[in-house]
Amino acid sequence: KQEVTQIPAALSVPEGENLVLNCSFTDSAIYNLQWFRQDPGKGLTSLLLIQSSQREQTSGRLNASLDKSSGRSTLYIAASQPGDSATYLCAVNSGNTPLVFGKGTRLSVIA
Amino acid sequence: KAGVTQTPRYLIKTRGQQVTLSCSPISGHRSVSWYQQTPGQGLQFLFEYFSETQRNKGNFPGRFSGRQFSNSRSEMNVSTLELGDSALYLCASTPTGGNDIQYFGAGTRLSVL
Repeated sequence: KQEVTQIPAALSVPEGENLVLNCSFTDSAIYNLQWFRQDPGKGLTSLLLIQSSQREQTSGRLNASLDKSSGRSTLYIAASQPGDSATYLCAVNSGNTPLVFGKGTRLSVIA
Repeated sequence: KAGVTQTPRYLIKTRGQQVTLSCSPISGHRSVSWYQQTPGQGLQFLFEYFSETQRNKGNFPGRFSGRQFSNSRSEMNVSTLELGDSALYLCASTPTGGNDIQYFGAGTRLSVL
């Protein structure tokens, strides 16, 4: 059974700092991994999707990497801003099965 | 293109009642999945519908049910509500499911008193 873990559960950083969020999964037989952002009380916004054959994906200040063999992914946020404050979730897709989510990292960027 | 629309946004019910939530997927998307999000358990998969057929089901009691209509809109129903059913219910749509990116709605916040 696939399990996804995100560390740390919460993180507080000063504005402008670069930071890394971690995601690990137990079964490396995945098709893709997706990073989401969730603002309080809101739905999920897809940030990046990495296919199993890819090593990384970039969008603006965000860079996500994937090491399938070790069951790890990282989300790198450059030059953090207060508007980046949210909960970040990773989810793995193992084919025609539901997404399995981690419990998220709650990020606070302090001005 | 309109996103995934969930209605209502907020609901307050009492124990024992039943509730129906609605999800309209992105136009052209045929797969709709439902998730329950609680602070303790995180996001848990309820079920997925594709072309009006339930394709996957999570580990929830039979009080939770769903359906999908020919226009791909989906509803989920919870009968005999319990306090523990209080949660944010999210739906997501994809063109065909499987490996596609999932697009989420804003959710329905259900409070059971």
